[in-house]
Amino acid sequence: GAVVSQHPSWVICKSGTSVKIECRSLDFQATTMFWYRQFPKQSLMLMATSNEGSKATYEQGVEKDKFLINHASLTLSTLTVTSAHPEDSSFYICSADRGLGETQYFGPGTRLLVL
Amino acid sequence: EDQVTQSPEALRLQEGESSSLNCSYTVSGLRGLFWYRQDPGKGPEFLFTLYSAGEEKEKERLKATLTKKESFLHITAPKPEDSATYLCAVHGKGNQFYFGTGTSLTVIP
Repeated sequence: GAVVSQHPSWVICKSGTSVKIECRSLDFQATTMFWYRQFPKQSLMLMATSNEGSKATYEQGVEKDKFLINHASLTLSTLTVTSAHPEDSSFYICSADRGLGETQYFGPGTRLLVL
Repeated sequence: EDQVTQSPEALRLQEGESSSLNCSYTVSGLRGLFWYRQDPGKGPEFLFTLYSAGEEKEKERLKATLTKKESFLHITAPKPEDSATYLCAVHGKGNQFYFGTGTSLTVIP
């Protein structure tokens, strides 16, 4: 149990385009979902926390208009990278919390390459 | 300042050579400490949760322990397939999660 999926697993796009990444909890309802960014050989950097039906809470330094997060249901959150640029290239990972005071369950990640 | 520090940054072991990874934390209101394994190009895989000092959890060759200031992940007789980055995270008050930078483990056959 507690499986989280992400789609797509990798994406290549041109500079200036927008990219949407989906995060789904497959066998549980997620009270909270988290979006992380990870650079090579570095740890996870929390970008934002989202709860179903409410606005996401962004970490300091993360541009809200750049990284749009929508948490439409208890099993789906999306991250849209708007007007992507090469510096947005990274590994994006989502996680979901069942709200039981236990761990977060992570998705497999999405690798974004902006040319 | 709330933070999580992992050491060493990298560790190379011969197959069968036991060792320990350290995760020290200065997070107030500990609600849980988590260990994850992350393989290259993949999301972290959950290993253990520890909630209170003195608690221990085991899974195959891995054993996690917790004190009031740090946690250890002991690896007994490691195999090459144990090679990965091991991440530690602490869940503090206010629903904040703090991640360490990880220990990259390489087990040489």
